[in-house]
Amino acid sequence: GQNIDQPTEMTATEGAIVQINCTYQTSGFNGLFWYQQHAGEAPTFLSYNVLDGLEEKGRFSSFLSRSKGYSYLLLKELQMKDSASYLCAVRGGFQKLVFGTGTRLLVSP
Amino acid sequence: DVKVTQSSRYLVKRTGEKVFLECVQDMDHENMFWYRQDPGLGLRLIYFSYDVKMKEKGDIPEGYSVSREKKERFSLILESASTNQTSMYLCASSRGLHNQPQHFGDGTRLSIL
Repeated sequence: GQNIDQPTEMTATEGAIVQINCTYQTSGFNGLFWYQQHAGEAPTFLSYNVLDGLEEKGRFSSFLSRSKGYSYLLLKELQMKDSASYLCAVRGGFQKLVFGTGTRLLVSP
Repeated sequence: DVKVTQSSRYLVKRTGEKVFLECVQDMDHENMFWYRQDPGLGLRLIYFSYDVKMKEKGDIPEGYSVSREKKERFSLILESASTNQTSMYLCASSRGLHNQPQHFGDGTRLSIL
């Protein structure tokens, strides 16, 4: 079976750091993606991990441990515009992505 | 920038109607996908295509069909719309390599009355 788990909702304060976790169990693994989706808008690509370790891209970083079936997205220096849903997705076989249900992040002043 | 365009932002149809949702991408991507997104269920794959005239079932293909006659266009067809197909429908496209992300359109919010 295929299962991806993320927390449903998180809250944080402007300027803080937040870590959004994702655990997965999938048949096959060809990489893990993180997407950001603002309410009423399309998901937009944030990061891709296929090897263990940390990938840094500005204020956003993503970590992967394949042996643990675990990833996290780290957001630093939070801004109000970071309030959105964050989707974890695993590429199992071929070109298909399996998505988690997403984590809604609310950033308050 | 990749542009994925879905023909309608909002659509209202009646049960039993045949419904067409159109998607066009302008980056010559090999792969195209149709998802539906429902609260608490996330994005679920309906169908995808990795080449012209090719199609593969996703996780929830029942009640849907697709057509890809040209590389840039991927159509989703609801053969006989039912109320449980009320949802947000998202189209995406990607290049044919493992590390390439999918790029999404803005979505069509479809209501079946």
